[in-house]
Amino acid sequence: DTEVTQTPKHLVMGMTNKKSLKCEQHMGHRAMYWYKQKAKKPPELMFVYSYEKLSINESVPSRFSPECPNSSLLNLHLHALQPEDSALYLCASSQGVVRETQYFGPGTRLLVL
Amino acid sequence: QKEVEQDPGPLSVPEGAIVSLNCTYSNSAFQYFMWYRQYSRKGPELLMYTYSSGNKEDGRFTAQVDKSSKYISLFIRDSQPSDSATYLCAMTPNQAGTALIFGKGTTLSVSS
Repeated sequence: DTEVTQTPKHLVMGMTNKKSLKCEQHMGHRAMYWYKQKAKKPPELMFVYSYEKLSINESVPSRFSPECPNSSLLNLHLHALQPEDSALYLCASSQGVVRETQYFGPGTRLLVL
Repeated sequence: QKEVEQDPGPLSVPEGAIVSLNCTYSNSAFQYFMWYRQYSRKGPELLMYTYSSGNKEDGRFTAQVDKSSKYISLFIRDSQPSDSATYLCAMTPNQAGTALIFGKGTTLSVSS
């Protein structure tokens, strides 16, 4: 089973709202990722968690706050977002820190009004 | 020069055609090479991955890596309308803490 699940599938939020995106995998992978993807663009890496510790933050604004409660779960907390943050947010996981095969979830389509 | 170059297309072919998708790259440290397929409004799905140079075949799909030319290819035989999607190449060096570098993606349309 190579499934990564993400909830919700769609999210509409105002600029003053606080919301969270959730990601789950049960493949025993120890690395998990958040990506942002705009229309007709490739995914852009935001954060990497390795063994439940944040190992990479690609200079993402603080209005995005990741959290890894355990090895199977990854959250992305959103606060005071801007309309330009509207995008598809993808979660991925891989076996370990050498990220040669990442498996992606279906994504959460976020619209910020 | 971007690290990974991929022609965005669109590429339109008739059903049954052989499709060739390509990426070039500049970083000789890349060791792992992947192809992802992404349907509209869905997450990328891993199709193939290859370590270093060589060929790998899986059903109708063949991935080729030529490290000497810094060139990778994905061939799709007997293309089907269900193959219509965006194909993303991605690569990474064999080093911890390094990012997966994506190409821009090629949009493929297979007509019946």
